[in-house]
Amino acid sequence: NAGVTQTPKFQVLKTGQSMTLQCAQDMNHEYMSWYRQDPGMGLRLIHYSVGAGITDQGEVPNGYNVSRSTTEDFPLRLLSAAPSQTSVYFCASRLRQGHYEQYFGPGTRLTVT
Amino acid sequence: AQRVTQPEKLLSVFKGAPVELKCNYSYSGSPELFWYVQYSRQRLQLLLRHISRESIKGFTADLNKGETSFHLKKPFAQEEDSAMYYCALGYAGGTSYGKLTFGQGTILTVHP
Repeated sequence: NAGVTQTPKFQVLKTGQSMTLQCAQDMNHEYMSWYRQDPGMGLRLIHYSVGAGITDQGEVPNGYNVSRSTTEDFPLRLLSAAPSQTSVYFCASRLRQGHYEQYFGPGTRLTVT
Repeated sequence: AQRVTQPEKLLSVFKGAPVELKCNYSYSGSPELFWYVQYSRQRLQLLLRHISRESIKGFTADLNKGETSFHLKKPFAQEEDSAMYYCALGYAGGTSYGKLTFGQGTILTVHP
């Protein structure tokens, strides 16, 4: 099993550009989520999904969109990048209801200039 | 509101010294508490959970419901323990899947 994979590892964007961060898992996990990691702020939940076709907002959803068309994939879209979105982004998955152990991807370091 | 607080952003100790990473939470129900660790150039991974009451890599953590704390302890720190540590709270939160909230993280540095 590859676990949770993310692409790209690094990305530099100009303000106003859009892009999609990819996330996939091969563990047949129902629950997937996106976090951003900022110094002193810890991990903050952006969006999450409890299954294909079901998504919901987390703590800091503004400026981001998600979709979950398959169990395996959970892409994160930045609609119009802003410098405040410079961060490290982590995708994570967990098995199902009541399971709190999360498996994390390696992260994507995004810089918006 | 549910919250996890890690009061120390940075913690430095010398090799062989005891180390304690503090974690306090606020939740009125029955929480599940976890410690996650991120070593340099590695992905975030689960270190231990309170329900299993286990010791991993010499670390232990006891849930103290009276003090709403879940501090991570190790009697003799090693250089390879240097990492970012996150405390996390799992709770039902009105949803069937439950929510997981992370603290701000503590960077532990163990000096030789």
